[in-house]
Amino acid sequence: DARVTQTPRDKVTEMGQEVTMRCQPILGHNTVFWYRQTMMQGLELLAYFRNRAPLDDSGMPKDRFSAEMPDATLATLKIQPSEPRDSAVYFCASGLFGFTGELFFGEGSRLTVL
Amino acid sequence: AQSVTQPDIHITVSEGASLELRCNYSYGATPYLFWYVQSPGQGLQLLLKYFSGDTLVQGIKGFEAEFKRSQSSFNLRKPSVHWSDAAEYFCAVGAANAGGTSYGKLTFGQGTILTVHP
Repeated sequence: DARVTQTPRDKVTEMGQEVTMRCQPILGHNTVFWYRQTMMQGLELLAYFRNRAPLDDSGMPKDRFSAEMPDATLATLKIQPSEPRDSAVYFCASGLFGFTGELFFGEGSRLTVL
Repeated sequence: AQSVTQPDIHITVSEGASLELRCNYSYGATPYLFWYVQSPGQGLQLLLKYFSGDTLVQGIKGFEAEFKRSQSSFNLRKPSVHWSDAAEYFCAVGAANAGGTSYGKLTFGQGTILTVHP
């Protein structure tokens, strides 16, 4: 059963520490998204990639966030340095551009920054 | 820019009652529309989607939704709610180019939390 895999599921860290979240998209999907979910803002699009190239990262705070796809099976979202306001659930989703448009979501990485 | 509004933050229904969750969208062309469901601690699962054709679409778990272009709406319905339907529901709109090919980028509404009373 193909699915998007995210690690870690839960992360608690101190303010100022570096945090890296990882995502393995569904094999064959060419589009990968990072969303952030908070009570106040709901689901916000942070960045997305097509064929590993970044297409839009306008939703990301550029000074502390970075997103990459080192290869087709791995997407990373890094926060350095982390702040309490970054506490949220971060979702990775993958899809196949030009076909159905639907996204398949991972179970999320819950980040708590103290 | 595309946007989605879900007017109801929280809805409570009794088990066995009918359900309608509202969704209004703003998009300049024919949209791709989706409903997702999220259970606590889980990711989002696709319930159904609309691209073109028949405006009444059927999804999983007995859900359906109707696309009404004149009202810019895509409301989700279920004739008889089960306790296991308690979750948060998200409507989303996707962008497409002039040729109708999806970009895949989705904009989500704020979500509607559904509580089901026994």
